[in-house]
Amino acid sequence: KAGVTQTPRYLIKTRGQQVTLSCSPISGHRSVSWYQQTPGQGLQFLFEYFSETQRNKGNFPGRFSGRQFSNSRSEMNVSTLELGDSALYLCASSWTSGRGNEQFFGPGTRLTVL
Amino acid sequence: SQKIEQNSEALNIQEGKTATLTCNYTNYSPAYLQWYRQDPGRGPVFLLLIRENEKEKRKERLKVTFDTTLKQSLFHITASQPADSATYLCAPWRGSQGNLIFGKGTKLSVKP
Repeated sequence: KAGVTQTPRYLIKTRGQQVTLSCSPISGHRSVSWYQQTPGQGLQFLFEYFSETQRNKGNFPGRFSGRQFSNSRSEMNVSTLELGDSALYLCASSWTSGRGNEQFFGPGTRLTVL
Repeated sequence: SQKIEQNSEALNIQEGKTATLTCNYTNYSPAYLQWYRQDPGRGPVFLLLIRENEKEKRKERLKVTFDTTLKQSLFHITASQPADSATYLCAPWRGSQGNLIFGKGTKLSVKP
């Protein structure tokens, strides 16, 4: 069974630009969660989507948004990039939502904002 | 607010010894607690899940305990090997449709 895939793996943007990251979950998994990981803050929850609906949302500004498609693939978008948005963005899939199930993480997208 | 603390940022031990990592949480009562391993440049990998009504869980050389009175979980790796060197993250799940909250992790280094 193929794992969680994320594209692109690396991205360099400048302040003020916007970026879209993509995540394909494991086949059959309907929940996709997004996390931001930085050395100082660790792994922080952004949001979770299940059956195309946002189920949970972390404490991030509205510049961070996401969506999920009918095939469970998910995208997250960050608008008006700031230097502090430089981080590893991880998505994780799970077969369902709200059960504390194990998360299967992708390799991440390393975003650098200059 | 909910808070998770993992005992130290780094732990160095000798090969063959038992590594013990600590996860303390405050201001909530998780229904489950998960442990993950993360290698540099990779996403975390799930290791073990322990429920609030379970005191201990084992998987090969790994053992996790969950003390809801102390609000603490201990993660043990017995007969540690250099290949166990990685960052270990604890993630309590608060239940009620909530999301996982991750600790900042403990970086374990096992020296030969």
